[in-house]
Amino acid sequence: TQLLEQSPQFLSIQEGENLTVYCNSSSVFSSLQWYRQEPGEGPVLLVTVVTGGEVKKLKRLTFQFGDARKDSSLHITAAQPGDTGLYLCAGDNQGGKLIFGQGTELSVKP
Amino acid sequence: EAGVTQSPTHLIKTRGQQATLRCSPISGHTSVYWYQQALGLGLQFLLWYDEGEERNRGNFPPRFSGRQFPNYSSELNVNALELEDSALYLCASNLWASDTQYFGPGTRLTVL
Repeated sequence: TQLLEQSPQFLSIQEGENLTVYCNSSSVFSSLQWYRQEPGEGPVLLVTVVTGGEVKKLKRLTFQFGDARKDSSLHITAAQPGDTGLYLCAGDNQGGKLIFGQGTELSVKP
Repeated sequence: EAGVTQSPTHLIKTRGQQATLRCSPISGHTSVYWYQQALGLGLQFLLWYDEGEERNRGNFPPRFSGRQFPNYSSELNVNALELEDSALYLCASNLWASDTQYFGPGTRLTVL
């Protein structure tokens, strides 16, 4: 069974701080996606990483895919209250389904 | 371009009843996926439909079923509802299996 371990599960920080969310697995994925979800809404795609070692930047967010395509990280620089939400990593195993991590509930206080 | 749409937004049922949830994919997308997001359990894969056929199924009992129509829209049916079926049911669509999945806003099912 493929699993994605996401950590931390909860993160409460002050505006301006930096943070990193980790997503780890013993399985190889063909690609990995990061989503952000607001309460009562569906996940919204932030980025897809495909190549081992790939780094993608989205404004203050930096995403990295591990060389072996088993793990990924999301780093947020100078967090803002608008970054508050549930961050989800999801691995694509080419069987059509996404394997989701448990999610990281981020709260950024002004 | 319209995104994935789902209906109804909220659905309240009692134990033992049946629920039907609907999903319309992004125009041009032929694959539809269903996920369950229950409190404390994260998103769990339910079903994948492509070109009208069920392609993959998650670890859920047979009372969870669905279908995909010729216009690629999809229905998820849950029979003999149980309290633990209360969750946000999310639908996603894409062009092919390895493409990014785009999610709808979900249907909140509450079983009393």
